Amino acid sequence: QLQLQESGPGLVEPSETLSLTCTVSSGSISSSSYYWAWIRQPPGKGLEWIGSIYYSGSTYYNPSLKSRVTMSVDTSQNQFSLNLNSVTAADTAVYYCARLFYYDSTTYSRVDTFDMWGQGTTVTVFS
Amino acid sequence: QSALTQPRSVSGSPGQSVTISCTGTSSDVGDYNFVSWYQHHPGKAPKLMIFGVSKRPSGVPDRFSGSKSGNTASLTISGLQAEDESDYYCSSYAGNYIHVFGTGTKVTVL
Repeated sequence: QLQLQESGPGLVEPSETLSLTCTVSSGSISSSSYYWAWIRQPPGKGLEWIGSIYYSGSTYYNPSLKSRVTMSVDTSQNQFSLNLNSVTAADTAVYYCARLFYYDSTTYSRVDTFDMWGQGTTVTVFS
Repeated sequence: QSALTQPRSVSGSPGQSVTISCTGTSSDVGDYNFVSWYQHHPGKAPKLMIFGVSKRPSGVPDRFSGSKSGNTASLTISGLQAEDESDYYCSSYAGNYIHVFGTGTKVTVL
């Protein structure tokens, strides 16, 4: 069973860069059927899609965060990462990494659903 | 891209049915059949319950069903059980590889 595990600092100072890594185990990050995503949940609020990355390095970001977000992938380590710069208290959240099931090669159809999630990691922005 | 609109809470007694709505626009829910629903117990990983508007992943009870009409998608839980008490979120593809989530609904089993 594929597993995703987030890792990174739990505390980040304002104006600094939040950096997280997601390690994928029991499955390859290089599968053509999947993208890999970051999603967050601020305290008391709903889920927010941050962005998605393909194993080739193609990236797609939430327009509201695009100017501050960079995602990267390391296929040799089966990991993908998130950098969010110039953070403020509004970036305090539980950050999840997830697998975006994009294309079902058995039915030749688009799927577009987040079918596997990590447990999440809490990041607090404060000085 | 604005969040999809869901009711803050719904409730029902065991055995009853509840329906959660998820309202978007003609640029997301109304334009694509890529609506999903997730069950989220606080502190745990969200769990996929419905994808492609109405498809259930393996292992999800058939008490959970999804539908869509126009810009609004719906999740119905039939034969409500105590273990169904949780937060539920919808999501939709919104074009250009962008995804949007709903505001979330708390389901309470009375």
